[in-house]
Amino acid sequence: DQQVKQNSPSLSVQEGRISILNCDYTNSMFDYFLWYKKYPAEGPTFLISISSIKDKNEDGRFTVFLNKSAKHLSLHIVPSQPGDSAVYFCAASPATRANRKLIWGLGTSLAVNP
Amino acid sequence: KAGVTQTPRYLIKTRGQQVTLSCSPISGHRSVSWYQQTPGQGLQFLFEYFSETQRNKGNFPGRFSGRQFSNSRSEMNVSTLELGDSALYLCASSPGASGSNQPQHFGDGTRLSIL
Repeated sequence: DQQVKQNSPSLSVQEGRISILNCDYTNSMFDYFLWYKKYPAEGPTFLISISSIKDKNEDGRFTVFLNKSAKHLSLHIVPSQPGDSAVYFCAASPATRANRKLIWGLGTSLAVNP
Repeated sequence: KAGVTQTPRYLIKTRGQQVTLSCSPISGHRSVSWYQQTPGQGLQFLFEYFSETQRNKGNFPGRFSGRQFSNSRSEMNVSTLELGDSALYLCASSPGASGSNQPQHFGDGTRLSIL
């Protein structure tokens, strides 16, 4: 049972345009969400996170939006650059202190075309 | 500051053998988590260690085990290897335990292939 879902396996955008990556979750106990980027043959790199007490967090070109009622979050990259081409993973962590492990989506492969 | 270091980067084993993978976390990080990544399953959580104690465990059989040393370095062991264990094994470290809402920093992984 996939508690964190990234329904788009791949996404292609033009350089300079906005990239929007989506993530849905089913567990209402999740209260901390993260986005990671992964290049081939490298480990995932932390990008940005958001706590459930916020609905938006911004860091440079990256903004994460959280819609708790819809159990949906999205990562916006503006403007997109060719170097952003990678696999993006969404991850979530539940509020339960006893078992606070990260649950990961399957990733979305982003291709930014020059 | 050195990142998370995993050794070896690549490993080839045969069915029935056992393997030990090593992870050195970022200096000062006390939490180490292990993940298995396969194409169809994404990142699957194996276990987390903090201060030499296993804090969380994923849904993997007992053939998968780990430990953490006093210097926070961690090892993961897989016994009686099966073809399905072929995967990228990733280690991640963070300053505090998983309940502290601190992002994990990943190594580049060990690619394990079972023949």
